[in-house]
Amino acid sequence: NAGVTQTPKFRVLKTGQSMTLLCAQDMNHEYMYWYRQDPGMGLRLIHYSVGEGTTAKGEVPDGYNVSRLKKQNFLLGLESAAPSQTSVYFCASSPTGTFSPAFLSFGAGSRLTVL
Amino acid sequence: AQKVTQAQTEISVVEKEDVTLDCVYETRDTTYYLFWYKQPPSGELVFLIRRNSFDEQNEISGRYSWNFQKSTSSFNFTITASQVVDSAVYFCALSGSGQNFVFGPGTRLSVLP
Repeated sequence: NAGVTQTPKFRVLKTGQSMTLLCAQDMNHEYMYWYRQDPGMGLRLIHYSVGEGTTAKGEVPDGYNVSRLKKQNFLLGLESAAPSQTSVYFCASSPTGTFSPAFLSFGAGSRLTVL
Repeated sequence: AQKVTQAQTEISVVEKEDVTLDCVYETRDTTYYLFWYKQPPSGELVFLIRRNSFDEQNEISGRYSWNFQKSTSSFNFTITASQVVDSAVYFCALSGSGQNFVFGPGTRLSVLP
């Protein structure tokens, strides 16, 4: 049982390039989330999804887009990368909404550097 | 708005010392959940505990214990007889009526041999 898998684990981009981070979960979870982690700021929510075909903005959505075409996958896209997007990105999933006994299962993280 | 504060940015202790990590939260929800996660040097996020707002009983799990006090909006985490393997960043988190977990900035714990 793989849990939550993120690809790639590392990526270096030049300013203005685009890329997509893939998150896949095999636990049949309804809810999926993308967070970014920056030093001294904890984890901040970028976008989330409450089910297949749905997405919603989190705390820091600017510069990112997401898609949830299949229940098990949640893609995070950067259309034109900026140095401010240098961060570690974490995907997470939960079986129901956060307002429940469930907790978040996290992927291993993806370290993105934008030069 | 929901907010989680972890005032201790970094803590260093010597092995076998007890250490308490502070967490103070803000929410207008009457029903909410509080969590602690551990992030060891390897980088993954490990779930430690979940507590709902109606259960103020303290919890103990081995060397770990948690003290939840609604009166002070705090959910503190104590490690007894710390070990080098406890060295990590610890995050406190809150979830309420929205589809979001709000994380604190984390406390980096270094346990020295």
